[in-house]
Amino acid sequence: DVVMTQSPLSLPVTLGQPASISCRSSQGLVYSDGNTFLNWFQQRPGQSPRRLIFMVSKRDSGVPDRFSGSGSGTDFTLKISRVEAEDVGVYYCMQGTHFPFTFGPGTIVDIK
Amino acid sequence: EVQLVESGGGLPQPGGSLRLSCATSGFTFSSYDMTWVRQAPGKGLEWVSGIRASGESTFYTDSAKGRFTISRDNSKNTLHLQMNSLRAEDTAVYYCVKGLRIPDDWGQGTLVTVSS
Repeated sequence: DVVMTQSPLSLPVTLGQPASISCRSSQGLVYSDGNTFLNWFQQRPGQSPRRLIFMVSKRDSGVPDRFSGSGSGTDFTLKISRVEAEDVGVYYCMQGTHFPFTFGPGTIVDIK
Repeated sequence: EVQLVESGGGLPQPGGSLRLSCATSGFTFSSYDMTWVRQAPGKGLEWVSGIRASGESTFYTDSAKGRFTISRDNSKNTLHLQMNSLRAEDTAVYYCVKGLRIPDDWGQGTLVTVSS
């Protein structure tokens, strides 16, 4: 199975400052059709997860543009340009290229 | 508006069985692949199983193979997860998710607690 790792696992941030989460996969995530199925999810306390980014860098409708995704191959990054209070939660990367699909362990983002 | 409503959670004993259901609305269910994801208490997300829109292909994580069966009824817009030979480590909130490779909408989850 593809192992997804994230760093850091805990990220205390100052409001208004940038934040960055790294996600690495144990295998390349390019599918046979040329697409890379790397997704990012946010889970706020007490809520179901919500997708933020799909296919590495495509931001979902309604997601603030302070969120951005990048990367290729086995290295991917989620960036928040200026953290707001509503961004507190756990962030997961997930690969949808190789069955069984797998999630990263999650990165807890909270306010300093 | 897309709605995914899970049901069927409960308190089965180790070795027991449970059938989860996910009633969907707000989209053309028969056109979408679907997924089950679980989350143990205080832990991260774990992909469990997926099924193609037609129902012809199904996929499982290793711990679910041979014990869980995903299925769907496209006439009733409903997704199911039959869980047999349940273990304590299957205790989790089970989420129904629309999509497979790029899952998007999630239900609110249903809690399964395997305990004697």
